[in-house]
Amino acid sequence: DIQMTQSPASLSASLGETVTIECLASEDIYSNLAWYQQKPGKSPQLLIYDASSLQDGVPSRFSGSESGTQYSLEINSLQSEDAATYFCQQHHDYPFTFGSGTKLEIK
Amino acid sequence: EVKLVESGGGLVQPGRSLKLSCAASGFSFNDYWMGWVRQAPGKGLEWIGEINQDSSTINYTPSLKDKFTISRDNAQNTLYLQMSKLGSEDTAIYYCARAGIPFDYWGQGVMVTVSS
Repeated sequence: DIQMTQSPASLSASLGETVTIECLASEDIYSNLAWYQQKPGKSPQLLIYDASSLQDGVPSRFSGSESGTQYSLEINSLQSEDAATYFCQQHHDYPFTFGSGTKLEIK
Repeated sequence: EVKLVESGGGLVQPGRSLKLSCAASGFSFNDYWMGWVRQAPGKGLEWIGEINQDSSTINYTPSLKDKFTISRDNAQNTLYLQMSKLGSEDTAIYYCARAGIPFDYWGQGVMVTVSS
């Protein structure tokens, strides 16, 4: 199985700041990487797919990038509603594994 | 509007079976792969598996392949998850999702608690 190592496990940032969350794939996943946002008590919502494509309706302050097998989610101009847990998922090879999640707190 | 509604969860004794359903609406169900994901309390997401449009291909996470069976009824626009030999480790919220690019729509989830 492809392992997705996500970091950090948690972070705290202030309104208006920029944060970056990373996922390292154990092998090449050819940009087949999605990012999800999950708010407490809610189901996950797709933010980004294919490493950098923004899902319809997602604010442009969310962006995705890649460098080799390292994938990043950047959130610019943090808003209070961005407080959530973020997960990456590789959709290159079965089973489609998730990262362990990053809990983002807004100060 | 795409809507996915899971049902069938609840409290079940260890070793027993349970079948979850996911009713889909708002899109052409038989045009999409569909899948299941679960989340144990306070934990991360675990991909269970996906089924293609005509049920000819079903992929599972290896550790659940012998316990869980995914199926669908395109005439009823419904996805199913049959779970057997349940143990406490299967206690989780179970989500169905449309496997678009990859999971572009999710249901609200249904809780399954395995306990005596």
